[in-house]
Amino acid sequence: GESVGLHLPTLSVQEGDNSIINCAYSNSASDYFIWYKQESGKGPQFIIDIRSNMDKRQGQRVTVLLNKTVKHLSLQIAATQPGDSAVYFCAENQGYSTLTFGKGTMLLVSP
Amino acid sequence: DTEVTQTPKHLVMGMTNKKSLKCEQHMGHRAMYWYKQKAKKPPELMFVYSYEKLSINESVPSRFSPECPNSSLLNLHLHALQPEDSALYLCASSQVGTVRETQYFGPGTRLLVL
Repeated sequence: GESVGLHLPTLSVQEGDNSIINCAYSNSASDYFIWYKQESGKGPQFIIDIRSNMDKRQGQRVTVLLNKTVKHLSLQIAATQPGDSAVYFCAENQGYSTLTFGKGTMLLVSP
Repeated sequence: DTEVTQTPKHLVMGMTNKKSLKCEQHMGHRAMYWYKQKAKKPPELMFVYSYEKLSINESVPSRFSPECPNSSLLNLHLHALQPEDSALYLCASSQVGTVRETQYFGPGTRLLVL
């Protein structure tokens, strides 16, 4: 069936490095994607979204890239900080309220 | 303001108890959701309310009973739960619920069933 998944379950980086979290999706009809950050004991927090008519979208220290050719999504975090340590989920909105989450990547930032 | 609030933060209940989880948002959103999240897993959709009407029930057991008293409130009534129902229960809301849009999540209620 169709699914949204991640390549790396855990990513360890040093403070100040740039982080890249990847996500693969299999539903070529998907046209809206969201990245969420979930810290321990908290609910998912919206980070950034992108629609399929875009290849790139930038926020504050974060950039999402969408490659529709290979059905790949990535989240780039610039100058990673210890406060960025969390689990990051990509999610695909399949329309009419259905949000399908990927498996998640844990980002660990060392000072 | 993109805040969704949930109470209680933690709940411990026995298998014969009846309890309720509450969720509230004041963003004017007309769609509200319940998700269940097990440890180290992504959230799984349980129910969707759109304009105070139940629009999606993802084959959730009847021991979970949702209620949407008005556009700002969402409840989840719990009865005769099993230990495997222990999880983080997340509430979310979005503007309309019928188009591709961002969902905003609350902090969750961590439920332990003994």
